[in-house]
Amino acid sequence: NAGVTQTPKFQVLKTGQSMTLQCAQDMNHNSMYWYRQDPGMGLRLIYYSASEGTTDKGEVPNGYNVSRLNKREFSLRLESAAPSQTSVYFCASSEGLERSTDTQYFGPGTRLTVL
Amino acid sequence: AQSVTQLGSHVSVSEGALVLLRCNYSSSVPPYLFWYVQYPNQGLQLLLKYTSAATLVKGINGFEAEFKKSETSFHLTKPSAHMSDAAEYFCAVRTGFQKLVFGTGTRLLVSP
Repeated sequence: NAGVTQTPKFQVLKTGQSMTLQCAQDMNHNSMYWYRQDPGMGLRLIYYSASEGTTDKGEVPNGYNVSRLNKREFSLRLESAAPSQTSVYFCASSEGLERSTDTQYFGPGTRLTVL
Repeated sequence: AQSVTQLGSHVSVSEGALVLLRCNYSSSVPPYLFWYVQYPNQGLQLLLKYTSAATLVKGINGFEAEFKKSETSFHLTKPSAHMSDAAEYFCAVRTGFQKLVFGTGTRLLVSP
C-alpha cells in the first residue's frame, strides 16, 4: 500500500517549457488535491478534484491545468513554465466525505526549479 | 474567511524540554483544526485533528493540542522533546467542503 505517489521527485525546466506532474493514490479515495509550498507561505491549494470527473480551482490556479484521469490519478500541467512557478508541489487525497473527519494524505512532493 | 496564524517561524528547544507551538484561528463558525508535521524532504503527515468531540486532542508521537475557544487557539504541545521531533509543523483549518487553509509553518529545532 504505497499511499500517494508522485513523479518526478525533482525537475529543472527552462522558462517557457511545459511539463506534467503525475500523482496516483491507491487508497480508493474520491478526492484529490494539488498544492504548492513556498518558503514562509505554507501550502496553497492550486486545484482540487472532489470526485472523478470534476475539477475546481483553488487559491492559486493561474498558469496550471489539471486532469483527473481516473479515480486513482490526478495530474498537474504547466503549459509554459515561469520562474515564479519554482516551488515544491504536493499531491494529496482524501475520502472526500462531508463530515469533519475527512483527512488529507500527502505524497512526498516534486521539487521544481524553473530557470 | 477562516484562517490560521502560527506565531514564530522557528522554535528552538533542548532535548527533554517542553515543546509549545502556537496556532490561533479566525473563524465565524466552529472550526475543524489540524496539525501536520513535515520531516525534511518528505510530505506532510497528520499529527492530530480537532473535530469538536473533545477539547484536548491526543495525536501521534506524544503530541497533543488543546482547543480553547475563548483564546481562539489550538496550540501544539509535547512534554519532552526528542531529537527526532525536529521538523516543520503546520496548523490548518478546514474552510469548506474538502478545503484546508494552512498556516505558514513553524520549524522546530531540537538541540542535544
